[in-house]
Amino acid sequence: DVKVTQSSRYLVKRTGEKVFLECVQDMDHENMFWYRQDPGLGLRLIYFSYDVKMKEKGDIPEGYSVSREKKERFSLILESASTNQTSMYLCASRGGMGYEQYFGPGTRLTVT
Amino acid sequence: AQRVTQPEKLLSVFKGAPVELKCNYSYSGSPELFWYVQYSRQRLQLLLRHISRESIKGFTADLNKGETSFHLKKPFAQEEDSAMYYCALTNSGGSNYKLTFGKGTLLTVNP
Repeated sequence: DVKVTQSSRYLVKRTGEKVFLECVQDMDHENMFWYRQDPGLGLRLIYFSYDVKMKEKGDIPEGYSVSREKKERFSLILESASTNQTSMYLCASRGGMGYEQYFGPGTRLTVT
Repeated sequence: AQRVTQPEKLLSVFKGAPVELKCNYSYSGSPELFWYVQYSRQRLQLLLRHISRESIKGFTADLNKGETSFHLKKPFAQEEDSAMYYCALTNSGGSNYKLTFGKGTLLTVNP
């Protein structure tokens, strides 16, 4: 079974703090994705990576950056957290011939 | 631009009743369509994809290119079907495998 893990289930940060969300997958997948999930808005893609050190902006990249130094790890960085970044953050990975994305359990981030 | 529309935020049915979750899409190319499901306190997971034409947990979905729809159906709903359902689309000929999700429909199956 594919396993996608995220470093924290719950996180509380203060406005202006730098925040790191970590995601690790164990299936040697090429593609990794970061989404935020908000009620009434569904899932929106923040960034994705199609290979190590390769990244591309998604639909809502403002206020975020990413890092992928190793194939199994994809980090989402909030340079200066703001209250409107309070959300559930989901990481996903995909590999091989199929289109299926495998999701992590999510990190619920609260910025106060 | 590709877009997925799920017109119902909430859908409530009784156990044993038929259920249909609507999904419409706009896309100029050849799309691949999916349904993802998230049960309470569980991670988001793939329910079914149109290309496989399979039935999962009694659910089916048919791609109607004329109506640009991919509605999810089940003839007899069960309480354990209560969950958030997302319709999603990707470019079948693309190389980045990005998914575009709808806003989701929360299905509640009442006893």
